[in-house]
Amino acid sequence: AQSVTQLGSHVSVSEGALVLLRCNYSSSVPPYLFWYVQYPNQGLQLLLKYTSAATLVKGINGFEAEFKKSETSFHLTKPSAHMSDAAEYFCAVSEPGGSNYKLTFGKGTLLTVNP
Amino acid sequence: DAGVTQSPTHLIKTRGQHVTLRCSPISGHKSVSWYQQVLGQGPQFIFQYYEKEERGRGNFPDRFSARQFPNYSSELNVNALLLGDSALYLCASSSTGLSTDTQYFGPGTRLTVL
Repeated sequence: AQSVTQLGSHVSVSEGALVLLRCNYSSSVPPYLFWYVQYPNQGLQLLLKYTSAATLVKGINGFEAEFKKSETSFHLTKPSAHMSDAAEYFCAVSEPGGSNYKLTFGKGTLLTVNP
Repeated sequence: DAGVTQSPTHLIKTRGQHVTLRCSPISGHKSVSWYQQVLGQGPQFIFQYYEKEERGRGNFPDRFSARQFPNYSSELNVNALLLGDSALYLCASSSTGLSTDTQYFGPGTRLTVL
C-alpha cells in the first residue's frame, strides 16, 4: 500500500526566506507524485506533479520539487516566500497504470509566512 | 471556463439522516472522484467514476454510495449519518481518469452532523 509522510505539520518562515516542505513516500513501484495547495475554505489547487519525466519539476507560483528515488522523497521548495504563500500544502502519490486513479495524501503542512 | 462545482456549500444534518452531495465536473471531463477531508487531515479517497462506471472504492462503509450520470455529473450519498461523517467532501474531475491526469478539485461541501 502507498503512503505519504509530511514532516512538520506546521512550518513558519519569514517573508523572503526559503520555503522547504518535506514529503517522503512509500510505494512498491515508482509512483507519480503531486503537490497541492489549499487556501482557507477552498478546494485543492495543483502546484506541480512528477510523472516519470524530469526529476526536477517546476510548478506554479515559483515552486519546484525534486524527485529523489534513493531517498523516496519529493520535497517542495521556493527560494523566496511571499505572504500570499500562506496556506496548507499537501503531498500526494498515485500508482502508475491501472484503471483506478486514486490519490493518497499526506496529512498536510500548514505554512505561515511572517512579515 | 467553469471549474468543478459542488452543491451545497454547507450542510447541517443530524445523526441517522441521509445526505446527497452533488458535483459537476469541468466540461469535457469524464472522470469524477470523491474525497473526504476531516479537519486537520489530508483528503481520503472514497470513489472514482469514469463513464458512469465505478472504477475504484476506498475504505469506506456501505453507507457511502455514489453514481455518475450521462452528463458526467455525480452524486455522493451517505446514509445513517454518524458524527464522524462531519467533514469537507471534495469532488475532483479529470479528463480520462488515468494516473497521469491532473485532478481538478472543487471547493467542497462542508457537512456538519449534529
